[in-house]
Amino acid sequence: DAGVIQSPRHEVTEMGQEVTLRCKPISGHNSLFWYRQTMMRGLELLIYFNNNVPIDDSGMPEDRFSAKMPNASFSTLKIQPSEPRDSAVYFCASSLVGGNSPLHFGNGTRLTVT
Amino acid sequence: AQTVTQSQPEMSVQEAETVTLSCTYDTSENNYYLFWYKQPPSRQMILVIRQEAYKQQNATENRFSVNFQKAAKSFSLKISDSQLGDTAMYFCAFMSHNNAGNMLTFGGGTRLMVKP
Repeated sequence: DAGVIQSPRHEVTEMGQEVTLRCKPISGHNSLFWYRQTMMRGLELLIYFNNNVPIDDSGMPEDRFSAKMPNASFSTLKIQPSEPRDSAVYFCASSLVGGNSPLHFGNGTRLTVT
Repeated sequence: AQTVTQSQPEMSVQEAETVTLSCTYDTSENNYYLFWYKQPPSRQMILVIRQEAYKQQNATENRFSVNFQKAAKSFSLKISDSQLGDTAMYFCAFMSHNNAGNMLTFGGGTRLMVKP
């Protein structure tokens, strides 16, 4: 039973470059979340989708960040252009909408922007 | 908006001993869910235990149990018979009971070190 799959596991890029993070949720889950983890701010919700539709993107820090979910089995988080302050671990998580379905997290992508 | 506070940035415990991690939260809702997640050095986020606010009985999962005090808005995690593998960051999290979504609000975390 595959869990949430994120790629890449590590990403190192130069300031100004475009970065795309990828996520495959657990099959059958219909809610998907993108979180960012930093030492200073902890775990922050960036955006989440229900049934492939973005519900709340108020956590997206700037217009440089965008997220898409073209189908139930794939989502991307894009940063363009990237900046050193975007360096963080980015987690994708999925769950079933409603009730107390817990979030299942991927292993995260550690992004370093130099 | 809900807030979750973990007042202990770091804790340590001797192997085989018991340790309690604190968590308080602030909400105006009556129905909600609470979770503890573990993040070992591998950075994977692992669900440890969950509690429904409408249940008075405290949740238990093997060596892990919670002390849920709804009136005090407190949700502490007790780890019994601590093992070296319990060394990790522990995050308390709040989930609202509504139809909008299952997003979690996390506390700042407690770093637990289990000493041999």
